[in-house]
This record gives sequence, structure tokens and C-alpha cells, in this order.
Amino acid sequence: GAGVSQSPSNKVTEKGKDVELRCDPISGHTALYWYRQRLGQGLEFLIYFQGNSAPDKSGLPSDRFSAERTGESVSTLTIQRTQQEDSAVYLCASSLWWGNEQFFGPGTRLTVL
Amino acid sequence: GNSVTQMEGPVTLSEEAFLTINCTYTATGYPSLFWYVQYPGEGLQLLLKATKADDKGSNKGFEATYRKETTSFHLEKGSVQVSDSAVYFCALSASQGGSEKLVFGKGTKLTVNP
Repeated sequence: GAGVSQSPSNKVTEKGKDVELRCDPISGHTALYWYRQRLGQGLEFLIYFQGNSAPDKSGLPSDRFSAERTGESVSTLTIQRTQQEDSAVYLCASSLWWGNEQFFGPGTRLTVL
Repeated sequence: GNSVTQMEGPVTLSEEAFLTINCTYTATGYPSLFWYVQYPGEGLQLLLKATKADDKGSNKGFEATYRKETTSFHLEKGSVQVSDSAVYFCALSASQGGSEKLVFGKGTKLTVNP
């Protein structure tokens, strides 16, 4: 079946602009995660959604970052007033439920000029 | 807090060589441990996992044993192939308030030459 998809695959933006990244999880997966991978670094957890529970936002680096998820479907990660240090690959993952194997999307490479 | 430290690469081996990629962790409680692999141009994939001490995860000829006494989860393969060239990430999952977020190491790039 279809895996996790993300769009766009690449995004180049100017400093100060807002960007929106999209994640389509695997159908039926109740848990959804966003991670960030900066060059030469491991993946950093950003935010986690599980069903209708309040999301775990503990990894968001600043209030410029926010994310939404509609039910158990699409999620969007929004970065306002982008900075150069936001340049990274943003990865989305979903799992069938809390604690199960996470399946990752191909990522969105964000470059802030 | 929870953290993962894995050997820095890059690692370059000849085909059929023995591979070890070291991974150690710091965590409270009893984490689950994972190895993820990212092949060129592809997304992260789970390679293997272990959920409790002394468990051995294995897949595609790769193995890793959960060692609580040494807080380690080293990845091994007896005979690597060119197709194993990829970036390998060690990770742990320790439930914190119900969130099974993963904590990753920085990744080790492996290149296998024919």
C-alpha cells in the first residue's frame, strides 16, 4: 500500500517568509510524528499527534513553529518568519498506534536563503 | 535526558568485510532500541529492533543485541555487500507521558566497495 508522503520534496524560501509543509500518513495510522534533520546531525523530534489527544509539542524549537492535524489524516507543519538555521530536512512518520513501528516519509528539504 | 551516541563515520569497507557500528545510549527506565537505515534517495526504514534486555534484533543479515549492563546496541554484519551502502541511525524510544518519540544518534555513513 501507499507509504507516508510529504510535499513539497524541496522548498527554497527567503529569510522571513512563512512556509507550510505537508504530511500524508499511512491510512489508518493514528500516530503521527514530525522530526527535523539538520546537516550532519541526527533527527530531532518536533511534535507528536495521537488520535484526538493533545499533541506533544515538547520538541518545537520556538513559537515560530506550529503544526496541525485534522483527525487521523493530513498534518501540516508551519514555520513562520523563517531563519537560516531552519534549513533542514523535515521528516514525517506515522505508526498504527502509540508505540508501534514508525514509518517515515521521504522528507521535505527546506533551504532558507 | 535520553540520548544516543553512535560511532562517527564515514565507514568504508570492502565487500564481504565484517561490519560493526557502535551505539551506546543513556535513558531512564527501559527503552526500546532501534536501528534505522536510509538508502541513497530513499526514506528512513526500520532495520531491526529490540524491546528488552538481552533481546537480539536481526534482519537482512544484520544483528544487534540489547545490552543493559553496557547500555549498548551495536550493529553487526558478518559480510557486507555493496547494496548495504547507506546511512545507519541508532535510536531509542522511551515513553514520556505517552509519547513514543524516537531519540536518534547522528548517523553513520557506510560505503561498501566492490
